[in-house]
Amino acid sequence: DAGITQSPRHKVTETGTPVTLRCHQTENHRYMYWYRQDPGHGLRLIHYSYGVKDTDKGEVSDGYSVSRSKTEDFLLTLESATSSQTSVYFCAIRVGWNTEAFFGQGTRLTVV
Amino acid sequence: GQQLNQSPQSMFIQEGEDVSMNCTSSSIFNTWLWYKQDPGEGPVLLIALYKAGELTSNGRLTAQFGITRKDSFLNISASIPSDVGIYFCAGQTIENSGGSNYKLTFGKGTLLTVNP
Repeated sequence: DAGITQSPRHKVTETGTPVTLRCHQTENHRYMYWYRQDPGHGLRLIHYSYGVKDTDKGEVSDGYSVSRSKTEDFLLTLESATSSQTSVYFCAIRVGWNTEAFFGQGTRLTVV
Repeated sequence: GQQLNQSPQSMFIQEGEDVSMNCTSSSIFNTWLWYKQDPGEGPVLLIALYKAGELTSNGRLTAQFGITRKDSFLNISASIPSDVGIYFCAGQTIENSGGSNYKLTFGKGTLLTVNP
């Protein structure tokens, strides 16, 4: 599993509340990613990080922010959750210099 | 943005049959990856392809990187019940925006069902 831990694994929250999801890695990899997975859309990139305090937007970044203050942690925040953000969220890390991305087990978020 | 067309969307096969799925794009990728996802789990990497024309096997799985760099296929031979799951292709490009970003674009997946 490349040492990736996502927390929480499941969360139900109310519309308008802030939510933070955490991705933790134990192997000091530089690149970390947040994806969301929805039926009919596959996996879509929200934000990514290429180092501590270095982050950039993906294709579906609206309504999300990220922070990476330590190599091992990449946080995804929904400032004010909406029902359209109900999804399964996956963190991924890049191992090595080339290409392989390894995924965490996912966080199922329901916004009611 | 870049898009991948993955087909078929779903397949229902009998145990022992061979399976083939593919991804095509109008964009060029420098790497193709194939992942499998089991229910409630994250995608797991099956095969990575790095060069146009490359043919790579992993047990009963075989994948190829198309010569044009715009497509890839995955074959599964002699399917077994544990092959059930969603298979995703992903194409990778490298972008430079502050730092090199290895950007993955995913297909929408092929749902494979294997009847014992």
